[in-house]
Amino acid sequence: QQQVKQSPQSLIVQKGGISIINCAYENTAFDYFPWYQQFPGKGPALLIAIRPDVSEKKEGRFTISFNKSAKQFSLHIMDSQPGDSATYFCAATNNAGNMLTFGGGTRLMVKP
Amino acid sequence: GAVVSQHPSWVICKSGTSVKIECRSLDFQATTMFWYRQFPKQSLMLMATSNEGSKATYEQGVEKDKFLINHASLTLSTLTVTSAHPEDSSFYICSARKTGLNTEAFFGQGTRLTVV
Repeated sequence: QQQVKQSPQSLIVQKGGISIINCAYENTAFDYFPWYQQFPGKGPALLIAIRPDVSEKKEGRFTISFNKSAKQFSLHIMDSQPGDSATYFCAATNNAGNMLTFGGGTRLMVKP
Repeated sequence: GAVVSQHPSWVICKSGTSVKIECRSLDFQATTMFWYRQFPKQSLMLMATSNEGSKATYEQGVEKDKFLINHASLTLSTLTVTSAHPEDSSFYICSARKTGLNTEAFFGQGTRLTVV
């Protein structure tokens, strides 16, 4: 069974701090790993994504670190802001399958 | 980025009635669309994969006769919840991928269904 395990389930960070969310996957056929941000009552929005040919990708305050051998990837949010408070989902897919397998989600709260 | 529009944003219906939810890709063609269900404080669970011009592929445990999916064009997929019951109350979200290889998935804004 394809699974993506995400941790922690919830995270509280002070404003200006670094938020770190981790995911681990099992299926070695996965070749695309996106992160989504979801606010209450809204659909998920793509935040950043990485493919396994690179170990790190940075876009603004958001960085994905990818460890292919460990089958793990993580999202780092630098200088976290109260507006970053949301639920974050990691996901994985292989292009042939098309469907996304989601992690369980992390509820992030950034305190002012 | 590409836009996926979902309608309605919320709907309240009586038990036993049917509700149709539309998912449209506004500025791109989507051969494949996906329908998810999300319960409060939980992750998205894939219900079915909708393929243009063919029958949808349902995930295990999803009743195909209850959740009717139609993908009549490259920009529109619909989910109809038939004979809705209170336990069908949930947040339903669609997503669409652009036709082609290595493409991103874009999500609609979701539909909050409440069955009373």
